[in-house]
Amino acid sequence: KAGVTQTPRYLIKTRGQQVTLSCSPISGHRSVSWYQQTPGQGLQFLFEYFSETQRNKGNFPGRFSGRQFSNSRSEMNVSTLELGDSALYLCASSRSGTDGLKAFFGQGTRLTVV
Amino acid sequence: AQTVTQSQPEMSVQEAETVTLSCTYDTSENNYYLFWYKQPPSRQMILVIRQEAYKQQNATENRFSVNFQKAAKSFSLKISDSQLGDTAMYFCAFEGSNYKLTFGKGTLLTVNP
Repeated sequence: KAGVTQTPRYLIKTRGQQVTLSCSPISGHRSVSWYQQTPGQGLQFLFEYFSETQRNKGNFPGRFSGRQFSNSRSEMNVSTLELGDSALYLCASSRSGTDGLKAFFGQGTRLTVV
Repeated sequence: AQTVTQSQPEMSVQEAETVTLSCTYDTSENNYYLFWYKQPPSRQMILVIRQEAYKQQNATENRFSVNFQKAAKSFSLKISDSQLGDTAMYFCAFEGSNYKLTFGKGTLLTVNP
């Protein structure tokens, strides 16, 4: 079956702009979680969605937001981009998010803010 | 809050030899999951092995095995018969009751021919 699909793969934006990233989970998976990966901070949790509800949010400013649609696809949005938002953004999907089976990650979106 | 510590930023091993990567964690939860992920240069995060905290038996997956010491909060990964394709960044991760993975900083493993 198809894996987790993240689009776009690469993105270059200017400071102050906003960006939307997309994550399509594996069919049948209802939980989607997002992570930011940077050389300095490593992998940090952004948020997790299940059945269109955000169940947990990491320590990121309000400029970072997300949502999940009825087909389980998820989007994250970053407004008023800053240079420090340059990172690899990864999403992971699982059936329920509570079964210890966060095995499936997308290939990530590489965001560069200039 | 949970924390995950990987004390070895870099390690190297000769092809066909065995290497052990260390990981310690801190949590007040009793039921949780632990993972080792591999991230090669392609940046694709790949699950290597997982351990359920309520299971005393150490998980194994082919050449990969863990040494899970719950009381010591230690979760090390042993790679046997190392192969060139094992070269990657390895992350230890914890999942508790709050729907998120907490990652360590990673260990860059290089397998030398």
